Amino acid sequence: GAGVSQSPSNKVTEKGKDVELRCDPISGHTALYWYRQSLGQGLEFLIYFQGNSAPDKSGLPSDRFSAERTGGSVSTLTIQRTQQEDSAVYLCASSSQSGGWETQYFGPGTRLLVL
Amino acid sequence: KNEVEQSPQNLTAQEGEFITINCSYSVGISALHWLQQHPGGGIVSLFMLSSGKKKHGRLIATINIQEKHSSLHITASHPRDSAVYICAVCPQGSGNTGKLIFGQGTTLQVKP
Repeated sequence: GAGVSQSPSNKVTEKGKDVELRCDPISGHTALYWYRQSLGQGLEFLIYFQGNSAPDKSGLPSDRFSAERTGGSVSTLTIQRTQQEDSAVYLCASSSQSGGWETQYFGPGTRLLVL
Repeated sequence: KNEVEQSPQNLTAQEGEFITINCSYSVGISALHWLQQHPGGGIVSLFMLSSGKKKHGRLIATINIQEKHSSLHITASHPRDSAVYICAVCPQGSGNTGKLIFGQGTTLQVKP
């Protein structure tokens, strides 16, 4: 079946603009994760969804970052007033259930460049 | 100090060599994952471990919970194994969420 998809694959924006990044998880997966991979840095956790609720938002770096998930499926990560340090690859992953013992399936990522 | 440390950061091997990548962590965990990231490509989950050892093809992963250490071994390495290998842990207390903390990754190049 289809894997995790993300759009756009690449996004170039000007500093101060808002951007929306979309994630379509594998159908039926209840858990959804957003991660960020900055140039030369490792992956870092941003936010976790179980269904439509986000019990763990601890990784969001500032209040400019928000995310929502509707219908237990598609998720959108929004970055307001983008800054150059927001430039990174934003990755989405989903798993059939929550839990550290579940395999996470990663999307191809959205490469964001803030000029 | 990062909670998850990998070594080496970079590794170059000749085709056919046996390869070991190490991962040490400083927190209690519910599970440890090994991931593979090809250049320009997505991330693929290789293993999930909570104890012992797992094998898949030429890949073997082991974990020692008491020593907070895991290793990923590749036998009979091949150029197509060239990728970044990432160790990630799910901290205890985060077990119900699946939230992962990642190592910095090990970049492996296997030369023909």
